Amino acid sequence: NAGVTQTPKFRVLKTGQSMTLLCAQDMNHEYMYWYRQDPGMGLRLIHYSVGEGTTAKGEVPDGYNVSRLKKQNFLLGLESAAPSQTSVYFCASSYRSWAGSYGYTFGSGTRLTVV
Amino acid sequence: GDSVTQMEGPVTLSEEAFLTINCTYTATGYPSLFWYVQYPGEGLQLLLKATKADDKGSNKGFEATYRKETTSFHLEKGSVQVSDSAVYFCALSDREAGANNLFFGTGTRLTVIP
Repeated sequence: NAGVTQTPKFRVLKTGQSMTLLCAQDMNHEYMYWYRQDPGMGLRLIHYSVGEGTTAKGEVPDGYNVSRLKKQNFLLGLESAAPSQTSVYFCASSYRSWAGSYGYTFGSGTRLTVV
Repeated sequence: GDSVTQMEGPVTLSEEAFLTINCTYTATGYPSLFWYVQYPGEGLQLLLKATKADDKGSNKGFEATYRKETTSFHLEKGSVQVSDSAVYFCALSDREAGANNLFFGTGTRLTVIP
């Protein structure tokens, strides 16, 4: 089925370890986003990309890096994981046109625990 | 700045009860408004949207009307089912704010009991 695929679905890291979360979409969307979801705080934007080779910071970018080498993929990296990064991470994508036209398509999430 | 304030939960209702989840917003421009639903273990799905004042979005028996005068977008359903149990997020997208970003509320967990 067409949509947004996130891997892995679950991961446990030790403090200081690194990892990369992969997001892939097959809808030819120009824009892609990484959010984190924490209890009582809704979704907060980490980084986003408006096209291949471009990235920008969102609301909570510290401790994360991203790359968009191919239009269909958006990678989120944690260089040195901290317990405060324990969260559920969601990737989303949208067309170039204003989100008000179509909204976003979300992946099913990655649950990350840092111990 | 832009923000969304959403009714805090959790909300527990009996099957066939009437549902209202309140949502108010603050925006610098003329936003579009959305309700997203998140079923257990899944990502967010677009439930309905409204792009201008007085528009009514509807889907799966849910409705919400864009009220500019009260800056609100309350979600309603006349008769909830057990399968409606989920977390509901109100969100806005403000073209004036740029960046094609969505601002989300904190979510409201709905549990429907038989």
